[in-house]
Amino acid sequence: RKEVEQDPGPFNVPEGATVAFNCTYSNSASQSFFWYRQDCRKEPKLLMSVYSSGNEDGRFTAQLNRASQYISLLIRDSKLSDSATYLCVVNNAGGTSYGKLTFGQGTILTVHP
Amino acid sequence: NAGVMQNPRHLVRRRGQEARLRCSPMKGHSHVYWYRQLPEEGLKFMVYLQKENIIDESGMPKERFSAEFPKEGPSILRIQQVVRGDSAAYFCASSERATTSRSSTDTQYFGPGTRLTVL
Repeated sequence: RKEVEQDPGPFNVPEGATVAFNCTYSNSASQSFFWYRQDCRKEPKLLMSVYSSGNEDGRFTAQLNRASQYISLLIRDSKLSDSATYLCVVNNAGGTSYGKLTFGQGTILTVHP
Repeated sequence: NAGVMQNPRHLVRRRGQEARLRCSPMKGHSHVYWYRQLPEEGLKFMVYLQKENIIDESGMPKERFSAEFPKEGPSILRIQQVVRGDSAAYFCASSERATTSRSSTDTQYFGPGTRLTVL
């Protein structure tokens, strides 16, 4: 089983659509969870941290279910500029150190007019 | 406030040469992380360093790769005798605080990466 697993997509949605991404992780000792965004050939940029209580930032909502070891990201009212690869990221997924981030393979989102 | 800086941005080496990649963390950050992204693949952790110490090198290949973060100056990722399979984007990230089991991981900010091409 992969340490962090997410649906690679691609997701092709029209502007204004709502799209949801899912992710699972294997190490129950992981403590920190993030969604990063990566544009083509650029560095990953933090989109939001994910907390057990769920958190929202504008059109983006992230949820964490520790019991199921499951993380989600919901994007409402998609914009063309949301087109990117979305990376599910977990710390200490392999159990070697809490500083180590493990990235999922990424979910490709394309928003079209 | 300058972000994480990496140089060179692009590096071309022939097989058997050495590659040196540099990373200057954000001001006030003393923790550095190196990740590698092979073509069409996800980012993979390589090594986590604090000033003068290697904290976690579980992702480093056993041979030809080494990393350091001296008391003064940037962190260096060194690849000796490069092979074509080393061609990738190498990203450095930095964070301000230490990460322990009692704290949440501090946010890691990524540099623009160095794209290594081995001919």
